[in-house]
Amino acid sequence: EAQVTQNPRYLITVTGKKLTVTCSQNMNHEYMSWYRQDPGLGLRQIYYSMNVEVTDKGDVPEGYKVSRKEKRNFPLILESPSPNQTSLYFCASSLAGSWQPQHFGDGTRLSIL
Amino acid sequence: AQSVTQPDIHITVSEGASLELRCNYSYGATPYLFWYVQSPGQGLQLLLKYFSGDTLVQGIKGFEAEFKRSQSSFNLRKPSVHWSDAAEYFCAVLNRDDKIIFGKGTRLHILP
Repeated sequence: EAQVTQNPRYLITVTGKKLTVTCSQNMNHEYMSWYRQDPGLGLRQIYYSMNVEVTDKGDVPEGYKVSRKEKRNFPLILESPSPNQTSLYFCASSLAGSWQPQHFGDGTRLSIL
Repeated sequence: AQSVTQPDIHITVSEGASLELRCNYSYGATPYLFWYVQSPGQGLQLLLKYFSGDTLVQGIKGFEAEFKRSQSSFNLRKPSVHWSDAAEYFCAVLNRDDKIIFGKGTRLHILP
């Protein structure tokens, strides 16, 4: 089954404690992206990757890091999380770019205390 | 800068009634436009997209959207809604840098 898998689905943690949210896709997609969703703000893009070892900033990259060492994985790293990063996060992938249908994971709800 | 506006935060319709969700965009050239749906507790799913050609676009789940350049709109429609259509709907545009910009969403409520 074609899918984008995020882990964990839920996480409550404290300010400053490094965390990683993993994202994996099994569709051999070139393009992967991270979004955060906040009430009243819709989805905002954090980072995206057009291919292995190629990443670029989205609209709200501050406080986040990503890496793309393999095509299937695109982890989101919060080196020093802060409460304003409490949000619902989505990973997505598409065949070649954001103009193509994106397949979304089910989301990761992060709470930073 | 390119932007997308969904004027309605919430919309409530009765089951079986018709639906229209509004979307206005700001973009200089011919835009790439999308509608996505998010069911509770899930990620987004593409309903339909418009790149060029026929301005009336058919999508999945019985949805359609019409691109109107003169009004800078890309409204989503469905002739008869079902209870399972209750969800949040996002309009999106691809900007000049090939980044996708989402609207803030419209939450659809269905009355039995």
